[in-house]
Parts: sequence; structure tokens; C-alpha cells
Amino acid sequence: AQKITQTQPGMFVQEKEAVTLDCTYDTSDPSYGLFWYKQPSSGEMIFLIYQGSYDQQNATEGRYSLNFQKARKSANLVISASQLGDSAMYFCAMREGTPGANNLFFGTGTRLTVIP
Amino acid sequence: AAGVIQSPRHLIKEKRETATLKCYPIPRHDTVYWYQQGPGQDPQFLISFYEKMQSDKGSIPDRFSAQQFSDYHSELNMSSLELGDSALYFCASSRESSGVAKNIQYFGAGTRLSVL
Repeated sequence: AQKITQTQPGMFVQEKEAVTLDCTYDTSDPSYGLFWYKQPSSGEMIFLIYQGSYDQQNATEGRYSLNFQKARKSANLVISASQLGDSAMYFCAMREGTPGANNLFFGTGTRLTVIP
Repeated sequence: AAGVIQSPRHLIKEKRETATLKCYPIPRHDTVYWYQQGPGQDPQFLISFYEKMQSDKGSIPDRFSAQQFSDYHSELNMSSLELGDSALYFCASSRESSGVAKNIQYFGAGTRLSVL
């Protein structure tokens, strides 16, 4: 079964508007971490935000916030006040287990286009 | 702040040749991960090292090998290259010994390998 599912291959948003990128995950491990990465057309993978399975509050980092709904196993990324530079591929990822070893499982990504 | 350094950034090889990719993790990071991202795909985990010992193995072909050296830099060696090996290869590093679940993986800019 797919561990991370991103159902939106592409999204469009008007500049200065907010946009939500969907992510659902599947794990039976009680301890896990959820991550969002941004990949511009230049190719690098940029860390945006992290949410731990035991975190009580939704994570926020500047214009990025994570809408974490544990019972629904969803970890949607919200980008507020979109900018042209936000146009990129966005990947949701998960690592399982306690600290020590764990690689990331990635979703298939969502390509976000910000329209001027 | 120092980031993960990968070299070379671009590499062109012929079929059946060998290639060596290098990765220099962020200082004081003890874990290195290698990922392969095919065209239009999400990154796939290959292999990881913690304190110079292999810690986890993913979908790494037998033709590939990797190691982490005493200065914590890592090399991915690829032999008998095939057309399907053409991809973006990422190295990521994290500090697993901090004992917290967060342990964010920071990615290098990647090495784009083209096999002709």
C-alpha cells in the first residue's frame, strides 16, 4: 500500500491567495514524522515544515502551516499569501519509527503554479 | 549556514561505464541518505549510513555500492551503468544522535546523471 498519497497532480493559485495541498498517509507505527519539501525547477529539494505524530499543535513556519488531522491521517500543507516564487513541485513525505534510522517515503508530488 | 554538498552536479556517462557520486554532509550530522529520483517521479530511498556504518537499505541495485568515510563524507559507486540509471541522485544528511524524532533530512542540490 502507498504510504503517502498526494491526489492533486497540479494546482493553480492566484498570487496573494492561500492554497492547500493535500496529503494523506498510511502507517501503523504510533511514532512517525511528516514532512513537506519544495522542489523548484532547478531540482534541489528544500525542507519546508515538519509535524510529529505526538505534536499537539499544528506546525507553522512563516507562510507555511500544516493542517494535521491525525484521525483522518491527513497532513495538508497550507501556503498563505502565495508568491510567484512558490511555483514548484511539492512533496509530502513520512518517516516511521523512533529516532535512529529512518528513510523518507515520498508522495508523487503536486505541481503548484502561481498565477500573477 | 553550511549545507549538504554534492559533486559533481552533472555527469554524463556511456552504458556499461562506472560513476562515483560524492556527498559531504552538514557538519556534525551523523547520518547520510542516498535517494534516486527518476524523471517525473518521487525520490526513492537507496541506502543510508549512521556513524559510518550502513544503517538501512532500500531499492539499491546490486550494481551500486556506497560507503561513508571517517570524515563522514559518502560516495555512491555505480557500475555497469544502464539507460534506466539516468536520474537525479540526492544525498541528504541528518543528526540522528540528537535523540529527538524530528531529525530533519536536509538535501543537497543533487547530481544529475545522464547515461547515453
